[in-house]
Amino acid sequence: AQRVTQPEKLLSVFKGAPVELKCNYSYSGSPELFWYVQYSRQRLQLLLRHISRESIKGFTADLNKGETSFHLKKPFAQEEDSAMYYCALSNPGRRALTFGSGTRLQVQP
Amino acid sequence: EPEVTQTPSHQVTQMGQEVILRCVPISNHLYFYWYRQILGQKVEFLVSFYNNEISEKSEIFDDQFSVERPDGSNFTLKIRSTKLEDSAMYFCASSEGTGEEKLFFGSGTQLSVL
Repeated sequence: AQRVTQPEKLLSVFKGAPVELKCNYSYSGSPELFWYVQYSRQRLQLLLRHISRESIKGFTADLNKGETSFHLKKPFAQEEDSAMYYCALSNPGRRALTFGSGTRLQVQP
Repeated sequence: EPEVTQTPSHQVTQMGQEVILRCVPISNHLYFYWYRQILGQKVEFLVSFYNNEISEKSEIFDDQFSVERPDGSNFTLKIRSTKLEDSAMYFCASSEGTGEEKLFFGSGTQLSVL
């Protein structure tokens, strides 16, 4: 069965420090990977997806099939990045998302 | 920017009662979803809906659950006979259906079963 693991419940960094939110997955094929974010008192929203190979708000994520990882990175964290981050996976051709348990990022001034 | 709207934001019900959670997806979207998050646990997929029928469902979505699009705008989740373990935040979402899975989520309905 497919599974998404986010090993850190909480990640606390200082403003300007690099950030890496870890995501590992288990899936036998070629999944589609996503990062969703939930800011305080806001709804869950898509941050980025691996097929787009985009950078959103300075965040990037590279799919590493050898390590089955999709870590989210940002070189210099900002206070407004503080939020709950969820890694998610879907099977190609299907629409159901499997979510990780989420990592709360706290960026301190 | 258009949003997915969910009502009510909080619902309290007695065990064994029926509840209907309501959602208004974004108007030009074709796929609709329900997810739930039990307190302290992961967001879990329940069901997806397309062209007036269920396209996928999870093991959680048993005979106690049903979905409906009663008119051109609403999308509902019915739980026929609620159990204590149904207490959770229920999220509705919709997507364009163009192939890339960008979901737009509602703000959720917190269901408490007493």
